[in-house]
Amino acid sequence: EPEVTQTPSHQVTQMGQEVILRCVPISNHLYFYWYRQILGQKVEFLVSFYNNEISEKSEIFDDQFSVERPDGSNFTLKIRSTKLEDSAMYFCASAAALYGYTFGSGTRLTVV
Amino acid sequence: AQKITQTQPGMFVQEKEAVTLDCTYDTSDPSYGLFWYKQPSSGEMIFLIYQGSYDQQNATEGRYSLNFQKARKSANLVISASQLGDSAMYFCAMRELRGGATNKLIFGTGTLLAVQP
Repeated sequence: EPEVTQTPSHQVTQMGQEVILRCVPISNHLYFYWYRQILGQKVEFLVSFYNNEISEKSEIFDDQFSVERPDGSNFTLKIRSTKLEDSAMYFCASAAALYGYTFGSGTRLTVV
Repeated sequence: AQKITQTQPGMFVQEKEAVTLDCTYDTSDPSYGLFWYKQPSSGEMIFLIYQGSYDQQNATEGRYSLNFQKARKSANLVISASQLGDSAMYFCAMRELRGGATNKLIFGTGTLLAVQP
């Protein structure tokens, strides 16, 4: 069964450092998403990406965040200068038009 | 605004018993989809079941069924014959299917299910 692949599974970074979280969505999907889950809390939408541009972003997705689909297969989330409160599980997801919404297994980001 | 409500922060069930996890939603859109995900302690989000707003029948997937009551805006998950491996956090989520390029999921706060032997 097709999968969304996320790397790394766990990343520890120092406050103020840049991190890039990587995702390989399902190949025939058109919609791509990043979500965040702070430990013990619900999953929150960060950003959606369609047709090579951001289609919607949440209030969380400020200027410190950016997304790219650099080569037609990878989908990345960059946090320019990490803060302690960025520590969370980050999920990538991809979707076909109406069905097939699939999550990756997540990257656990720890900012120290 | 769209909203998902899960009123049960935690539930206990005996092994082999059935359990119902509650979910209510609020949307003004006639087209939407409802999802249930399981999140074990390892953290990944596992898709369980999907119900479209226009589906005539309640969705079923193995031991999972969705009790969809459109007029009441509820989409409860029923797990039959609970197993120890069902112990996890369960999230209900909604996706609006209107035309457009977002179709993001809105999640509830989750229900932590503990299956007791």
